Amino acid sequence: DQQVKQNSPSLSVQEGRISILNCDYTNSMFDYFLWYKKYPAEGPTFLISISSIKDKNEDGRFTVFLNKSAKHLSLHIVPSQPGDSAVYFCAAQYSGGGADGLTFGKGTHLIIQP
Amino acid sequence: DTGVSQNPRHKITKRGQNVTFRCDPISEHNRLYWYRQTLGQGPEFLTYFQNEAQLEKSRLLSDRFSAERPKGSFSTLEIQRTEQGDSAMYLCASSLVLMPGGTIYFGEGSWLTVV
Repeated sequence: DQQVKQNSPSLSVQEGRISILNCDYTNSMFDYFLWYKKYPAEGPTFLISISSIKDKNEDGRFTVFLNKSAKHLSLHIVPSQPGDSAVYFCAAQYSGGGADGLTFGKGTHLIIQP
Repeated sequence: DTGVSQNPRHKITKRGQNVTFRCDPISEHNRLYWYRQTLGQGPEFLTYFQNEAQLEKSRLLSDRFSAERPKGSFSTLEIQRTEQGDSAMYLCASSLVLMPGGTIYFGEGSWLTVV
């Protein structure tokens, strides 16, 4: 049962344009959401996060939007750069108890074309 | 501080052999996690420690897997009687006691290939 879903395995975007990566979740107990970026043969690198009490968080070129009612979040990258080509994982967390470990989606492979 | 360190980075082993991976977390991080990632999947939670106490194990962690963190610093993950299905990247991560949204930092992973 996939609690965090990234329905697009890959996404191709032209350099300089906006990249939008989507993520849906099913567990309403999740209260924190994170995006990680991963290059081949490396571990995931933290990118940006958002609390469930917010609907937007921005950090430079990266903005995450959260729609709690739809159980949907998205990561916007503007403008997209060649170095952004990587696999992006959406992850969710329930901080109220238990493992507090992250539940990950399967990832979206972002390809930035020159 | 060089971040979360894992070794070996790559391990090829014959089915039935035992393997051990080591993780050195970011110093002063009292939480340490193990995840497993297979091709086409996101990382899957295996277990975590707070200091030396192992507080939770996923049902993915069969009895052939054992993890320790004896002094609350580094951790080892041992897989006994390896099977081909154990082939994956094993990721270690660490964090401070998790404030809401506290960031979990990952190491570069240890690749296991069981032949």
